[in-house]
Amino acid sequence: DAGVIQSPRHEVTEMGQEVTLRCKPISGHDYLFWYRQTMMRGLELLIYFNNNVPIDDSGMPEDRFSAKMPNASFSTLKIQPSEPRDSAVYFCASTSWGAVNTEAFFGQGTRLTVV
Amino acid sequence: RKEVEQDPGPFNVPEGATVAFNCTYSNSASQSFFWYRQDCRKEPKLLMSVYSSGNEDGRFTAQLNRASQYISLLIRDSKLSDSATYLCVVNMISDSWGKLQFGAGTQVVVTP
Repeated sequence: DAGVIQSPRHEVTEMGQEVTLRCKPISGHDYLFWYRQTMMRGLELLIYFNNNVPIDDSGMPEDRFSAKMPNASFSTLKIQPSEPRDSAVYFCASTSWGAVNTEAFFGQGTRLTVV
Repeated sequence: RKEVEQDPGPFNVPEGATVAFNCTYSNSASQSFFWYRQDCRKEPKLLMSVYSSGNEDGRFTAQLNRASQYISLLIRDSKLSDSATYLCVVNMISDSWGKLQFGAGTQVVVTP
């Protein structure tokens, strides 16, 4: 398996523009997580899905952020409009809770810079 | 109070020495615990799961103390390649199954 695939790897955009980040989880995994990482706040959980359904979005910073998972093999995180403080590395991770101690696999991340 | 807290470090460790650090968690109902490793500008990767009885994987030993709500990681005979940020991860399942919560990480720098 190719692992969790995220695109793009790098994104530079101007303030006010819409940004869409994409994630393809590992086939067969039924949980998908979106995280944001910054030096100041570390790794923050934004939202996670189980079987394509959003379970907890309490970490989404504000209404400018939205996430969807239209099917088991694809998820998007959208920021509209983007602001400089959204600059961060955004990670997608997936796992399957077949056992209690199950590993979550991360994609390589999208490094977002909003100027 | 953060749900998962770690000493950010850095822990500067001479090569060959032992280093240990803890992570505290706030939710007493948490049942799954992990240590992840993150190299600079890379994604986090699983280092080891943490079992109730404690477990060892080569030079790495993880312990869980439920009474005091912390987990620990000990690295023996440190190698230069152990330099990384170590993330404590807790599965917060009291109100939402599968909510993996990460600590901010502890930076370890192994020096020659």
